[in-house]
Amino acid sequence: GAVVSQHPSRVICKSGTSVKIECRSLDFQATTMFWYRQFPKQSLMLMATSNEGSKATYEQGVEKDKFLINHASLTLSTLTVTSAHPEDSSFYICSAKSRGHSMNTEAFFGQGTRLTVV
Amino acid sequence: GDSVTQMEGPVTLSEEAFLTINCTYTATGYPSLFWYVQYPGEGLQLLLKATKADDKGSNKGFEATYRKETTSFHLEKGSVQVSDSAVYFCALSDAFSGGYNKLIFGAGTRLAVHP
Repeated sequence: GAVVSQHPSRVICKSGTSVKIECRSLDFQATTMFWYRQFPKQSLMLMATSNEGSKATYEQGVEKDKFLINHASLTLSTLTVTSAHPEDSSFYICSAKSRGHSMNTEAFFGQGTRLTVV
Repeated sequence: GDSVTQMEGPVTLSEEAFLTINCTYTATGYPSLFWYVQYPGEGLQLLLKATKADDKGSNKGFEATYRKETTSFHLEKGSVQVSDSAVYFCALSDAFSGGYNKLIFGAGTRLAVHP
């Protein structure tokens, strides 16, 4: 199947700094990318959906100024956690689908990034 | 709103044991149901799915039946292997929830299979 690579897999940063997480589709053009977050022992929650070349659509309760999503090319989307705080510590996962995938259930997922803010 | 609840792990089994991971859901419409698996160091992969009541999804020896009367989609496998050790996520997609193919996940259940 198609491969989605997410980097880094783990990151520790100081409170107040910004962290960028990359999500790349390695062998297909990702017209749509999804970003999820999972707190310990809780469900994987959709944060935002981004279509290549347009602004991301954020889910209710997700701060767009804090979680900056860029989807400037068909193979790369980035999530930047700005001015990170300990409560932003979480597991972040991206998924990507091409124009040929009718449902996001057919999207391919990255390995996830464990962010720890100290 | 729509939600998915799955049994808390970890689930620890010996090889060749029978596996059940419970999953129940709440939804306002007629959801499709899914099981995803995440092997260590890899992304989530779609394991199986069922799109309507009484459908049975199956793949790699795993199966799950869409039970509308009990709002459940329990994952089963008759004989697990060490290679099945992974985190399993139950999910639904409800076309009538306002987020047309938006996926709603459970918290995941870690399975550890020992030789």
